[in-house]
Amino acid sequence: AQSVTQLDSQVPVFEEAPVELRCNYSSSVSVYLFWYVQYPNQGLQLLLKYLSGSTLVKGINGFEAEFNKSQTSFHLRKPSVHISDTAEYFCAVSKGGATNKLIFGTGTLLAVQP
Amino acid sequence: DAGVIQSPRHEVTEMGQEVTLRCKPISGHDYLFWYRQTMMRGLELLIYFNNNVPIDDSGMPEDRFSAKMPNASFSTLKIQPSEPRDSAVYFCASTLSGNTIYFGEGSWLTVV
Repeated sequence: AQSVTQLDSQVPVFEEAPVELRCNYSSSVSVYLFWYVQYPNQGLQLLLKYLSGSTLVKGINGFEAEFNKSQTSFHLRKPSVHISDTAEYFCAVSKGGATNKLIFGTGTLLAVQP
Repeated sequence: DAGVIQSPRHEVTEMGQEVTLRCKPISGHDYLFWYRQTMMRGLELLIYFNNNVPIDDSGMPEDRFSAKMPNASFSTLKIQPSEPRDSAVYFCASTLSGNTIYFGEGSWLTVV
């Protein structure tokens, strides 16, 4: 079975600073990996996804993530954050073959301070 | 595109009452998912459908919960009777197989 671990429940950072949100997964089969963002009182919006190919994936709002198979990680990065990036970020995994049955991590609250 | 539409957005009900949450997936999508989000347990997959057929309901917490998808454009999640521990945000999501899963805005349920 697949699982996802987000070690940091909250990451405080100052505006315009770089940020990395960590995500590790476990699976005995090939997986697809995703990052979703949830703004306050809203649903989840896809930031980016890794299905295959290049291990560096670029998403919306200037975010990117790198798939590292040997370390079973899929960390999310942004070189310079804005106040508007304050939100909950969820890493998710699904079994290879189709992007169904997403298993989510517990989420990381990115708190951007002025 | 209208996106995944859920109703009601907010509901407050008394313990023991029946609650029905509704979802209209994106037109043409063949998978529909119901997720529950709580502070304690995070995002949990309750059940999902493929072509209106329930595929995996192992996440449904107990018999008080039931979900139906009578046609490709409508699904319901019913809780009867409701309990305070059912208070959560319930998300519906849909996808065309092999592509991105799109989430609705959620139904915020409070059982008092």
